[in-house]
Amino acid sequence: EVNLVESGGGLVQPGGSLRLSCTASGFTIGDYWMSWVRQAPGKGLEWVANIKQDSSEKYYVDSVKGRFIISRDNAKNSLYLQMNSLRVDDTSVYYCVRIRYFGVPSQDVWGQGTTVTVS
Amino acid sequence: DIQMTQSPSSLSASVGDRVTIACRATQNIANYLNWYQKKPGEAPRLLIYAASRLQSGVPSRFSGSGSGTFFTLTISSLQPGDSATYYCQQTIGDLVWTFGQGTKVEIQ
Repeated sequence: EVNLVESGGGLVQPGGSLRLSCTASGFTIGDYWMSWVRQAPGKGLEWVANIKQDSSEKYYVDSVKGRFIISRDNAKNSLYLQMNSLRVDDTSVYYCVRIRYFGVPSQDVWGQGTTVTVS
Repeated sequence: DIQMTQSPSSLSASVGDRVTIACRATQNIANYLNWYQKKPGEAPRLLIYAASRLQSGVPSRFSGSGSGTFFTLTISSLQPGDSATYYCQQTIGDLVWTFGQGTKVEIQ
């Protein structure tokens, strides 16, 4: 069964740092672009970042550029999100997501999410 | 950046009703449009990709259409389990993607 499991969320003070991890099972992340998506309390979904299979390309939403770093370790079948200079408005559930290309890219496998609270 | 606007923001309908949600892009995105279903406490679920292609395992009462700047998601016969928030998403923008603000569907 294809699965993604996030970890590393928690409570952190404004200005602090946190590192999220995501471990995949049932497939090889090295074959896929991967991404992070978040949802703040009572708000909609927000795409955060994408990373190519070999880490040669990374893309971020403007609000996290310069503060967040997406990375991966294909040997460990894992994805990461290093979050620095955290702000109250970064409070969200963060989802690790697989990107699939069937003509157009879509996000077909989602983890259950890990909660980050900045307060 | 490409902005996505959904309408309505919320709706209430009865079991068996036909429901349509609209999504408009600020520029031409061809068919780079996906639809997701999000229920509280659950992970989002891909319903439709490439504007009109049904994701494997998704009931056939869900369908998508459109291209360019205007898209729709239709539920042909609303079921109790379809109560959720639905999001469109564009994936053409140089790997910088955006979701619509969501449409909350409630069952009367």
